[in-house]
Amino acid sequence: GQQLNQSPQSMFIQEGEDVSMNCTSSSIFNTWLWYKQDPGEGPVLLIALYKAGELTSNGRLTAQFGITRKDSFLNISASIPSDVGIYFCAGPRGGTYKYIFGTGTRLKVLA
Amino acid sequence: DTGVSQDPRHKITKRGQNVTFRCDPISEHNRLYWYRQTLGQGPEFLTYFQNEAQLEKSRLLSDRFSAERPKGSFSTLEIQRTEQGDSAMYLCASSLYGTAGPDTQYFGPGTRLTVL
Repeated sequence: GQQLNQSPQSMFIQEGEDVSMNCTSSSIFNTWLWYKQDPGEGPVLLIALYKAGELTSNGRLTAQFGITRKDSFLNISASIPSDVGIYFCAGPRGGTYKYIFGTGTRLKVLA
Repeated sequence: DTGVSQDPRHKITKRGQNVTFRCDPISEHNRLYWYRQTLGQGPEFLTYFQNEAQLEKSRLLSDRFSAERPKGSFSTLEIQRTEQGDSAMYLCASSLYGTAGPDTQYFGPGTRLTVL
């Protein structure tokens, strides 16, 4: 079945550093979404991507829809302590609206 | 706050008891989804509704689980005869399907279930 693998699994960075993470799939996706989840809370939508090659920003966050449609990337610039959390990529399974979520990237920011 | 809301936020119950969770979607959204998330994992799809119709159920949704959306607005998820393996975060999401824009899901804060 379709799986989404995220890399890295976790990372510690210094405040002010830029962060990059990616998400890869064994099959094509037509939509990529990036969510952030804080402990004990639901995922919050950060960026949604709908076209191959699309590059979209939301404040310090930038995400790209890979041209192969099998990957996506999320960059966070000038990280701050509140960027701590788990970042999930997600996409609809096989043309349906059942989202598959990636394995998550756990980000910790050191002040 | 006009986002997705869930109640209760936390539920502790003893094995064998029944529990019911409620989800109120974003008011104009016609689709409502339930997901389950266990520790260290991403959310997994359980079921979804379009208006009051339940259109799909995952094989993760055993016979002990039932979901309803009687008036096409709020939804309830009931688990009967709870088992320790049911301990998880239960997430609700909603979306607006059928408009010119994309059908993007927005999540609620979740209900954390602990079965003792």
